[in-house]
Amino acid sequence: AQRVTQPEKLLSVFKGAPVELKCNYSYSGSPELFWYVQYSRQRLQLLLRHISRESIKGFTADLNKGETSFHLKKPFAQEEDSAMYYCALRNNFGNEKLTFGTGTRLTIIP
Amino acid sequence: KAGVTQTPRYLIKTRGQQVTLSCSPISGHRSVSWYQQTPGQGLQFLFEYFSETQRNKGNFPGRFSGRQFSNSRSEMNVSTLELGDSALYLCASSARQGYEQYFGPGTRLTVT
Repeated sequence: AQRVTQPEKLLSVFKGAPVELKCNYSYSGSPELFWYVQYSRQRLQLLLRHISRESIKGFTADLNKGETSFHLKKPFAQEEDSAMYYCALRNNFGNEKLTFGTGTRLTIIP
Repeated sequence: KAGVTQTPRYLIKTRGQQVTLSCSPISGHRSVSWYQQTPGQGLQFLFEYFSETQRNKGNFPGRFSGRQFSNSRSEMNVSTLELGDSALYLCASSARQGYEQYFGPGTRLTVT
């Protein structure tokens, strides 16, 4: 079975401080990992996927297969980063099913 | 390009009734997936359709069903509604397998 764990339901960080949202997963194969974000009153949207290795809005995430983690990081938080963040996993069985974590609500304190 | 649209946006039903929700994917997208979002269980996968065929199904009872039409539009149906079916139902579309999934705004279903 595949599972995604986000241990923090709520996270508050001061503007300008570093941000790290934790994500751990369990899956026996080679998964594809994603971070999705939902800003207030907006729809869920893709922020990052591990295979693209891009930096979006200053966020990065590295897949650590040894620790089965995919933590989301940003060196300097901005007020517009306040949102709900979901880590998600997709297996490599040729389907689109995403398994989501329970999400972390990030609040940036001005 | 217009995004994924879902209708209706809000719905109130009574226990025992049935409901049909609709999802129109982004033009050209052939894959549609459905998710249920609740405060207690979070986001849970319901089903996935590609070219009118169900390719994957989540762990939901048989009261939950879906289909996809030749124009890629998809519907999901819930029969014999229960209070626990109250949720936000999200639809996502992608151009093809392995591509980015784009989510709709959701349909908020309340069962009383």
